[in-house]
Parts: sequence; C-alpha cells; structure tokens
Amino acid sequence: GQSLEQPSEVTAVEGAIVQINCTYQTSGFYGLSWYQQHDGGAPTFLSYNGLDGLEETGRFSSFLSRSDSYGYLLLQELQMKDSASYFCAKDSSYKLIFGSGTRLLVRP
Amino acid sequence: DTGVSQNPRHKITKRGQNVTFRCDPISEHNRLYWYRQTLGQGPEFLTYFQNEAQLEKSRLLSDRFSAERPKGSFSTLEIQRTEQGDSAMYLCASSLENREDYEQYFGPGTRLTVT
Repeated sequence: GQSLEQPSEVTAVEGAIVQINCTYQTSGFYGLSWYQQHDGGAPTFLSYNGLDGLEETGRFSSFLSRSDSYGYLLLQELQMKDSASYFCAKDSSYKLIFGSGTRLLVRP
Repeated sequence: DTGVSQNPRHKITKRGQNVTFRCDPISEHNRLYWYRQTLGQGPEFLTYFQNEAQLEKSRLLSDRFSAERPKGSFSTLEIQRTEQGDSAMYLCASSLENREDYEQYFGPGTRLTVT
C-alpha cells in the first residue's frame, strides 16, 4: 500500500488559502516533492523539500518537518485554475513514491 | 508540454494480446522512469533506467512486463498477454542525475484499455 497519507478531498473559495497535509513513512526518505495534476493531464512538479523548513515559489509554499514525518503544501490566493489533484511524493533516492492525492475544488 | 513524449496516447486491446508503448525523454536526461496510474490513485513506480541500465523493477511488476532503453535514449514498455487489470494510464518521466534538480518531467501518458 501507499506509505504516504493525505486528505482525499478539499474544497475552498477563490482567493482563499488552503493547506494540504501529508504524512509519510521514513524508510528510504530523502525528501518530499509535490506535484499537481489536472484531469487528463500529466503530473507537473511544484516544489521539493529536502531539509526542514519552508520553501516558497510564488503563490505556492511547501513545508517539511523530518522529526514529525510531516509536510504540507500551502496554496494562497486560490484561483479557479488551481482546481486539480495534488500529490505528495517521497523521494526515495531516485524513484518517487506517491500518495493517493488530494482533489482540490476551488469554488467561485 | 514538458518535452517528454509518449506514443501511442491511447491503446485499446483485447485480453491476451501484447502491447508496446514508447517514451522519448528530454534528450539530455539520463534517468528514465515508468509509472502506472489508475483512477483516483497516485502514480505507482514500475521501473527505472539510468542511461541504458535498468536499475530497479518494482516487485509489483509481473514477468509479463518488460522495459528496455537500448541506447540510453528512448524506452519501450511491453506488456505480454494483457489482462483487464492492466488497464491504466502508463506514464513515463525523465530527469537529470543532479541532486540540485529534483524535478521529474512527465509525459502525457498512454492510456491502455484491455477489453
């Protein structure tokens, strides 16, 4: 089974802030990546955390706490186009181990 | 468009037939991965190449599945004697062996339907 846990679905309003949490098993852990996937599309890279702390890329930020085996993706100033599935993925040296994904629905 | 291409984009086949998919990675990328994704799930790792060497194959992958990357450029994934449970999206990704660039670049996928 998957070694990462994230909520299956989140709904938020346009312009709001949403946080998607991810917990993982520590075996073979090098870092945590986040990918976005629109329906019918390919996963696209959003961010990577190899060390504890916050990484910021525009409206998106990602956080990692190795001691808690926990990370999150923060999306600010939500736009309708942010409606998609978001996956946390454990970097296991080269391969990625993906969670089951969080489906984000942004409402007007 | 990430620069990774996959062909065909869709494949419908009858149970028991063999199918082959192709992936063309970004040209300077030496790492190539195959993943499988079913509806509502995240991509699941299948196999990994560094240049032409296949360095890991998932234990979940039966011996009906084989992948090659003969010249360290494009790769093929073959499924023999397909079963209905093989129906899924097959994704290819590529990356550089560079610990400062963690991104894997995914192709659009090949959607396989086994009837």
